[in-house]
Amino acid sequence: AQTVTQSQPEMSVQEAETVTLSCTYDTSESDYYLFWYKQPPSRQMILVIRQEAYKQQNATENRFSVNFQKAAKSFSLKISDSQLGDAAMYFCAYNPSGTYKYIFGTGTRLKVLA
Amino acid sequence: ETGVTQTPRHLVMGMTNKKSLKCEQHLGHNAMYWYKQSAKKPLELMFVYNFKEQTENNSVPSRFSPECPNSSHLFLHLHTLQPEDSALYLCASSQAGIHYGYTFGSGTRLTVV
Repeated sequence: AQTVTQSQPEMSVQEAETVTLSCTYDTSESDYYLFWYKQPPSRQMILVIRQEAYKQQNATENRFSVNFQKAAKSFSLKISDSQLGDAAMYFCAYNPSGTYKYIFGTGTRLKVLA
Repeated sequence: ETGVTQTPRHLVMGMTNKKSLKCEQHLGHNAMYWYKQSAKKPLELMFVYNFKEQTENNSVPSRFSPECPNSSHLFLHLHTLQPEDSALYLCASSQAGIHYGYTFGSGTRLTVV
């Protein structure tokens, strides 16, 4: 079965510091997509970053970057220069190519300390 | 209004009530989804509609009944729910066949009493 595991229920980071959130997934597929979503208290899930499995280059979006290790089935999110507005739940999601289904992890709550 | 809009934001209902959740998107997407979000559990996919046709029902109990009258609107009709159905219900949309991710609404927080 395809699963997504986020082993850190909660993480804390000092403002302006860097934090890494971990995500591992289990699949036998070779073509798929990976996502990180942020869910602030407003509840709306916001797409943070997207990675295509066939691309070796790690995706980056401003202060957000990923470390994609396909062989290890690992997809961690690095947040640099953390800001108070980064405090939220972060969800990792896996999407097999050719399907509509996204499989989500249980989330990591990130606290940013002033 | 742009994005995905869900109403109501909060809903409290008794186990014998009938209510409906509404989702609306004006992004031109042709796929829409209902997800259930419970504490400390992964998001659970409930239903998928592609071009108004239901393409997936993820073994959801019949007390949840979806309706998709057009590509912009999605409803979830609720009747005789159980307390364990209390959760955040999220609607999402996407462009079918393009893996750029979902656009989510803010959800309806449902409490069954």
